[in-house]
Amino acid sequence: ELKVEQNPLFLSMQEGKNYTIYCNYSTTSDRLYWYRQDPGKSLESLFVLLSNGAVKQEGRLMASLDTKARLSTLHITAAVHDLSATYFCAVDSGYALNFGKGTSLLVTP
Amino acid sequence: GAVVSQHPSWVICKSGTSVKIECRSLDFQATTMFWYRQFPKQSLMLMATSNEGSKATYEQGVEKDKFLINHASLTLSTLTVTSAHPEDSSFYICSARGAPGGASYEQYFGPGTRLTVT
Repeated sequence: ELKVEQNPLFLSMQEGKNYTIYCNYSTTSDRLYWYRQDPGKSLESLFVLLSNGAVKQEGRLMASLDTKARLSTLHITAAVHDLSATYFCAVDSGYALNFGKGTSLLVTP
Repeated sequence: GAVVSQHPSWVICKSGTSVKIECRSLDFQATTMFWYRQFPKQSLMLMATSNEGSKATYEQGVEKDKFLINHASLTLSTLTVTSAHPEDSSFYICSARGAPGGASYEQYFGPGTRLTVT
């Protein structure tokens, strides 16, 4: 069974600071996704990572994938309040997506 | 492109009644549709996977007689919660996988349906 672990689960950070969210998974997969979820809303796709060494950046967010270590990271640079949300990583098992528990991010002034 | 809609967006029903939720891929044909359930402050849990014209495949612990899934066409899947009870209150999200001019592996998520059973 494919297990996906995210940490931290809760993150409170000040505006302007940097931080990284980690996503570890238990079995081989070459497809990993990052999503954002705002309260009461569905998922918004942030990144699709398809190969070892893949790195993608959008604004203050950058995601990377190391398939050998079975690790993906979501790096936040110079956080702003608008980034406050819950972030999920999901790993494609070839059958369905297996989601991490999510990281609830709160960016404070 | 790659828009998935759900209807209704929220519904309140009485215990014992049935509720149908529709999931539509608006601009592509979905080879597979997925139904997820999300309780407050928790992650998404896959309930079932359905392919057009086939019976749905349910995850362990999901009662197929309670959560009826019909995938009648390549653009429509429905989830019917039968004899709903308060513990079925949740956020139900569908996703669709197809090839809307791009990759066939990516899932596109609907906006979700908030079900409250009183």
